[in-house]
Amino acid sequence: DAEITQSPRHKITETGRQVTLACHQTWNHNNMFWYRQDLGHGLRLIHYSYGVQDTNKGEVSDGYSVSRSNTEDLPLTLESAASSQTSVYFCASSDPSGGNTEAFFGQGTRLTVV
Amino acid sequence: AQSVTQPDIHITVSEGASLELRCNYSYGATPYLFWYVQSPGQGLQLLLKYFSGDTLVQGIKGFEAEFKRSQSSFNLRKPSVHWSDAAEYFCAVGAGSGSARQLTFGSGTQLTVLP
Repeated sequence: DAEITQSPRHKITETGRQVTLACHQTWNHNNMFWYRQDLGHGLRLIHYSYGVQDTNKGEVSDGYSVSRSNTEDLPLTLESAASSQTSVYFCASSDPSGGNTEAFFGQGTRLTVV
Repeated sequence: AQSVTQPDIHITVSEGASLELRCNYSYGATPYLFWYVQSPGQGLQLLLKYFSGDTLVQGIKGFEAEFKRSQSSFNLRKPSVHWSDAAEYFCAVGAGSGSARQLTFGSGTQLTVLP
């Protein structure tokens, strides 16, 4: 079955280190998204991509970057991890054909910055 | 810009009781609306969605939602709650045009089910 997988599921890192979270989907979806989930805020959009070589900033993009070199992967990089970036990160993908915005989510990555 | 409000942070109901979770949205055009459920430690699972047509939509696990344009609402309902329904529920609005569409989420409602 097609799926979307995130790795690692849990990570602890130190302040100032660069961290990359992986996201891989096998649906061949053009659209991919990264969200962070924090108590009281729901899910907030970090970055998104509508296709290969396309990346866009979301609501809370400061301190994060993404790159899209193929359809399947959208890695999220924290350039210099900060304690404020301790959160649960979700990757999602969608097939925009017909205007469908239904998104499929990975299981999440819990990141702790100490 | 679009936004979603879920006014109830936490709701507690007894097993077998009816449930209604509220969702209000703000969007200038016809919205695409969704309800997702998240169990502890899990990702988000789609419960139901509204794009057009019948304003009462049926979803999985016995849930339904009604789109009311005049009230900018998309409330989620279930006639009889089961203990396994305890989870966090998110309402979302899909906005954009063509292939450039993304979801904006509400802050979620945590549901507790009493035995």
